[in-house]
Amino acid sequence: RKEVEQDPGPFNVPEGATVAFNCTYSNSASQSFFWYRQDCRKEPKLLMSVYSSGNEDGRFTAQLNRASQYISLLIRDSKLSDSATYLCVVNRGNYGGATNKLIFGTGTLLAVQP
Amino acid sequence: ETGVTQSPTHLIKTRGQQVTLRCSSQSGHNTVSWYQQALGQGPQFIFQYYREEENGRGNFPPRFSGLQFPNYSSELNVNALELDDSALYLCASSPEAYNEQFFGPGTRLTVL
Repeated sequence: RKEVEQDPGPFNVPEGATVAFNCTYSNSASQSFFWYRQDCRKEPKLLMSVYSSGNEDGRFTAQLNRASQYISLLIRDSKLSDSATYLCVVNRGNYGGATNKLIFGTGTLLAVQP
Repeated sequence: ETGVTQSPTHLIKTRGQQVTLRCSSQSGHNTVSWYQQALGQGPQFIFQYYREEENGRGNFPPRFSGLQFPNYSSELNVNALELDDSALYLCASSPEAYNEQFFGPGTRLTVL
């Protein structure tokens, strides 16, 4: 079983739709959580960090449920430019100086259709 | 742009050869991590350098090695290349060993 699991998709949605991505992680010692966006043949780019209290950045909302070890990303009013692969990322590093290593899911492909 | 640069952008090698990939971290960042991303997969952690010392390693064989220089730039060396080493190699920098990481554009390595 992979440490971070995501539905690979693809998710094909019309412009303006709301789409939700889910992710689960298996290591309860995980410390911090992120969503990265990766365009085709480009590097991953940090979309947002994810906090237990939930956080929102414009059309994007991320939630973390530590008890269920579950992370979500909601995109409202989808734009064509949102088409990309969304990577769920967990960091098991701790603040005692242990390795800050990012563990990636395989990514969920989103295709927003006109 | 993240300010993280990598060179070269593309590279073609043959099995058994050796390769060196380079990364310049963002100004003010003292930590560089290296990742391998095979086609259709998420990036996999290779190792991390923090203030010129290796600060953790993923599940990669010893023929993957690296170093970090006093200016915090870094190199990834791979010896005895295998076909499965074909991938996008990404470096990421962060201001300390436990902060968010910012990726460079990657080096696409093809091993024939």
